[in-house]
Amino acid sequence: AQRVTQPEKLLSVFKGAPVELKCNYSYSGSPELFWYVQYSRQRLQLLLRHISRESIKGFTADLNKGETSFHLKKPFAQEEDSAMYYCAPGGGGNKLTFGTGTQLKVEL
Amino acid sequence: KAGVTQTPRYLIKTRGQQVTLSCSPISGHRSVSWYQQTPGQGLQFLFEYFSETQRNKGNFPGRFSGRQFSNSRSEMNVSTLELGDSALYLCASSPAGQGSYEQYFGPGTRLTVT
Repeated sequence: AQRVTQPEKLLSVFKGAPVELKCNYSYSGSPELFWYVQYSRQRLQLLLRHISRESIKGFTADLNKGETSFHLKKPFAQEEDSAMYYCAPGGGGNKLTFGTGTQLKVEL
Repeated sequence: KAGVTQTPRYLIKTRGQQVTLSCSPISGHRSVSWYQQTPGQGLQFLFEYFSETQRNKGNFPGRFSGRQFSNSRSEMNVSTLELGDSALYLCASSPAGQGSYEQYFGPGTRLTVT
């Protein structure tokens, strides 16, 4: 069965501190991996996808196939990063399997 | 371009009734997916339609069904509602065919079953 695990329900960091949101997946084949974000009162939206290897809003995510992990990182947290973050492997067409999400709270 | 729209935004139904939710994708998008979001189960994939055909299906009972029209608009139907069907139902559209998963989400329809 396809599974994705986000072990932290809530992650609280201070502004300027590094952030790492963990994601581990169990998936057959070679899934494409995504991070989606939902800011307060906004729609769920794509943050980044592993295949693009780009940095969005200072966030990066490295796919580690050996550890089957896709952790999301940012060196210096900003207040506007406070949001709900979902790791989502995709497979078999436009089907995303979402993790349970991690609420990131950036404190001043 | 206008974003994904969903109607209605809020709905209250009684157990045993049926409900139809509507989703209009971004213009030009041919793939529409539906997700159920609950506090207990999180975001779960219901099904995906592409060019009026169901291409993927999640692990939901047959009471949950959907369809897609020639203009890519999609509807999902839930029959014989149960209390556990209370959830936020999200629709997402995608511009490409097989193998592209960047999805654009709508605001959701909040369904409450009493």
